[in-house]
Amino acid sequence: DQQVKQNSPSLSVQEGRISILNCDYTNSMFDYFLWYKKYPAEGPTFLISISSIKDKNEDGRFTVFLNKSAKHLSLHIVPSQPGDSAVYFCAASVSNTGNQFYFGTGTSLTVIP
Amino acid sequence: ETGVTQTPRHLVMGMTNKKSLKCEQHLGHNAMYWYKQSAKKPLELMFVYNFKEQTENNSVPSRFSPECPNSSHLFLHLHTLQPEDSALYLCASSQGASGVETQYFGPGTRLLVL
Repeated sequence: DQQVKQNSPSLSVQEGRISILNCDYTNSMFDYFLWYKKYPAEGPTFLISISSIKDKNEDGRFTVFLNKSAKHLSLHIVPSQPGDSAVYFCAASVSNTGNQFYFGTGTSLTVIP
Repeated sequence: ETGVTQTPRHLVMGMTNKKSLKCEQHLGHNAMYWYKQSAKKPLELMFVYNFKEQTENNSVPSRFSPECPNSSHLFLHLHTLQPEDSALYLCASSQGASGVETQYFGPGTRLLVL
């Protein structure tokens, strides 16, 4: 059973607008979360992370929000740019049990110029 | 070379063949990983090596055999695979193997088993 779910396989957004990618998890022990971005024919690259002691982490145009009670995290990209078009994966781990991350199936973001 | 490299990038093999996938990291990391990504499924962790020692084997069939001769190199030896093993195989590395270490991925090997 999948412990990390990304229920939207795809998302299209106009350039300059906000992109919101969502991720839900089922394991309440998860306390560390990451977002990865993947272009075709390349491996996933790390984008941003958040620990469960925070509810928000911001890095430039990218902000990750964590709602522990809802077991939900989201990635906001503002403003969206065509170069942001990629597949975005969220991942979660239990920080004190080794480096096993559980990944979602990904959301393909298309930013329309 | 920088980052994490994988060879070959594409591989087609028959069910009776033996082949190996190679991963090399140029980041000075101590932990390396093999993942499998099948279509419309999440990345599945297969193996974890920390300081050349295998620390995780997520119930992977014995037709997949990992080898980690040193902290920079990781191999995945394949033999008598099945068509359902066709997938993208990703290698990753991280500085350590705690649950908060960012993993850096290679571009993957796209495997097709006929």
